[in-house]
Amino acid sequence: QKEVEQNSGPLSVPEGAIASLNCTYSDRGSQSFFWYRQYSGKSPELIMFIYSNGDKEDGRFTAQLNKASQYVSLLIRDSQPSDSATYLCAVIHLLRQGGKLIFGQGTELSVKP
Amino acid sequence: SAVISQKPSRDICQRGTSLTIQCQVDSQVTMMFWYRQQPGQSLTLIATANQGSEATYESGFVIDKFPISRPNLTFSTLTVSNMSPEDSSIYLCSVESSDYEQYFGPGTRLTVT
Repeated sequence: QKEVEQNSGPLSVPEGAIASLNCTYSDRGSQSFFWYRQYSGKSPELIMFIYSNGDKEDGRFTAQLNKASQYVSLLIRDSQPSDSATYLCAVIHLLRQGGKLIFGQGTELSVKP
Repeated sequence: SAVISQKPSRDICQRGTSLTIQCQVDSQVTMMFWYRQQPGQSLTLIATANQGSEATYESGFVIDKFPISRPNLTFSTLTVSNMSPEDSSIYLCSVESSDYEQYFGPGTRLTVT
C-alpha cells in the first residue's frame, strides 16, 4: 500500500463546475497535509495546507481533512480552464524529523471551456 | 514565501560526467531539501541539506552519487555524479517555511545522453 494515494485521472470537469480531488494516506501519525498545483513543465506551487479536522477555505479552494478516515480532499469551486494542472497531495508524518513531505502520484485535472 | 532560484535551469550532459545544481534563497532558511521528479512521476525526496553538517539521505540515495553541500543558510548545491540516462529527471530544491510549509524552486531539467 502506498503511503499517499491519489487517483491519477484525468479528472475532467466543465468550466464553472466544482472539481473534487481526493487523497488517502496510510499512516495515522501523519500530521500536516498539503495540496500543490503543478502546471506542465513547472515546479509545484503550494495552494493549501490543513492540519485540523474539518474544512479550510481560501478563495475558490476548500481543503477537507478527516483524520479518522485518513483522507484529505481539495474542492475547487467555479473551475476555470486555468485550473487545468496536476494536483499533488503531500503529508508530513508526526515523528519524522524535519519537513519530510510524502507525495501522492498526483491527479490530473482538465477543465473544459 | 521565499524566492528560490536554481541554476542551471536545464542541461544536456553526457553519460559518465557530473553536474552541480545550485539553489539560492533570498532569505535565511533552516531546512532545505532536494527532490527528483522523473518523467510522468511524482516527487521523491533525495536528501535534506543541513547547514553545518552532512546531508541526510533517503533510502535509495547515497552520498557518493548525490553529494550535497550547504555552506550557509541561503545556499545549497546538489551534484549528480557519474551520470547515466536513468538520471534524466527534474531536480528541485525546496525550503521550509513556518509550520512545515515547503516552497519549491523552478527546477533543473537534466537530460543525460
